[in-house]
Amino acid sequence: AQSVTQLGSHVSVSEGALVLLRCNYSSSVPPYLFWYVQYPNQGLQLLLKYTTGATLVKGINGFEAEFKKSETSFHLTKPSAHMSDAAEYFCAVSAYSGGGADGLTFGKGTHLIIQP
Amino acid sequence: DGGITQSPKYLFRKEGQNVTLSCEQNLNHDAMYWYRQDPGQGLRLIYYSQIVNDFQKGDIAEGYSVSREKKESFPLTVTSAQKNPTAFYLCASSVGTGVTYEQYFGPGTRLTVT
Repeated sequence: AQSVTQLGSHVSVSEGALVLLRCNYSSSVPPYLFWYVQYPNQGLQLLLKYTTGATLVKGINGFEAEFKKSETSFHLTKPSAHMSDAAEYFCAVSAYSGGGADGLTFGKGTHLIIQP
Repeated sequence: DGGITQSPKYLFRKEGQNVTLSCEQNLNHDAMYWYRQDPGQGLRLIYYSQIVNDFQKGDIAEGYSVSREKKESFPLTVTSAQKNPTAFYLCASSVGTGVTYEQYFGPGTRLTVT
């Protein structure tokens, strides 16, 4: 079974500052990792995903994440925060469970607050 | 435009009533999923379906039922047996059930039971 831990239920940064949202995973098999964003009362939108290959993954809206197997981490970053980045961010993991894929396992989410 | 539609956006029911949430996709995806979202809890998988006429329980299936009679449709029924049904419900789909496939989400239905 796999699990995801997102450190910090709320993260506040100033506009223009670096955004860092932390995600650690636990999986007994090679994981596939995703970051999603959710705006209030809306569904989730995929920001980026790691499957295989390059460990630094670039996504939409200037976000990127780096897969670090030794640290079991997949932290999300953005060099310069914008007011429109204020949202809920979810890290998720997918892994084979013997019978095939059975949905994503999500972290509890991090609410990103952007201070003007 | 291709996508996932969920209706209605907001739904109100009295305790003891069954209620069915609609989910339709025109992405020609094989797999469909239902998640429940509660504040501070992330998303939890209720049911998923890999093909028509087949579905599997997720982590919190008790008190819920689903059907998959058509590829495009995956309705969720919240029964009176669900002890705490008030939540935000999200439907998703993916091309297949391979672990590398991302899921596409609908806009969600907020269910309030009083």
